[in-house]
Amino acid sequence: EIVLTQSPATLSLSPGERVTLSCRASQSVSSYLAWYQQKPGQAPRLLIYDASNRATGIPARFSGSGFGTDFTLTISSLEPEDFAVYYCQQRGKWPRTFGQGTKVEIK
Amino acid sequence: EVQLLESGGGLVQPGGSLRLSCAGSGFTFSTYSMSWVRQAPGRGLECVSFIGGNGYNTYYADSVKGRFTISRDNSKNTLFLQMDSLRAEDTALYYCARDMTPPYFDSWGQGTLVTVSS
Repeated sequence: EIVLTQSPATLSLSPGERVTLSCRASQSVSSYLAWYQQKPGQAPRLLIYDASNRATGIPARFSGSGFGTDFTLTISSLEPEDFAVYYCQQRGKWPRTFGQGTKVEIK
Repeated sequence: EVQLLESGGGLVQPGGSLRLSCAGSGFTFSTYSMSWVRQAPGRGLECVSFIGGNGYNTYYADSVKGRFTISRDNSKNTLFLQMDSLRAEDTALYYCARDMTPPYFDSWGQGTLVTVSS
């Protein structure tokens, strides 16, 4: 199965800062990668799909990029509601797999 | 508004069985593929099983293959997961999720907790 490795495991940041999260795949997934946000006690929420497309209702401060094995989620300016765990997920090959997550916490 | 409501979780002994259900509303259920995704306590996410809109195409994670069966009743807008031969490592919050096109999870339920313990 395709292994997705996210880095870093944790980021400590302040509101207003720019955030860059990384996801690396063990083999190419083309552009078939999504990003999800999960807050405590809630289900994940789709943010970005097919590497760079924002899902319905997602603010423009969230953007995604990448192709093949290296992908990035960027939050241009952190809002208080953005502190959460972020997961990447590939659909290039069954089984669809998730990364282990990056926690963005308040500094 | 799309809603997914899971039920059927609980405490079960190793080797036991449970049947999870997920009731969908606010969309044309039969036109969407559906999935079960689980999350062990304090852990990440795992795609457990997938079923196409017509119920004919199914996929399973290797960790549950031969023990879990996914099905759906489109007349009742309901998704099921029959879980047999349960193990301690199956303990998790089980989410029902809708597959959009392209196939990513665009709507999720709130999850139902399965605990396998003696």
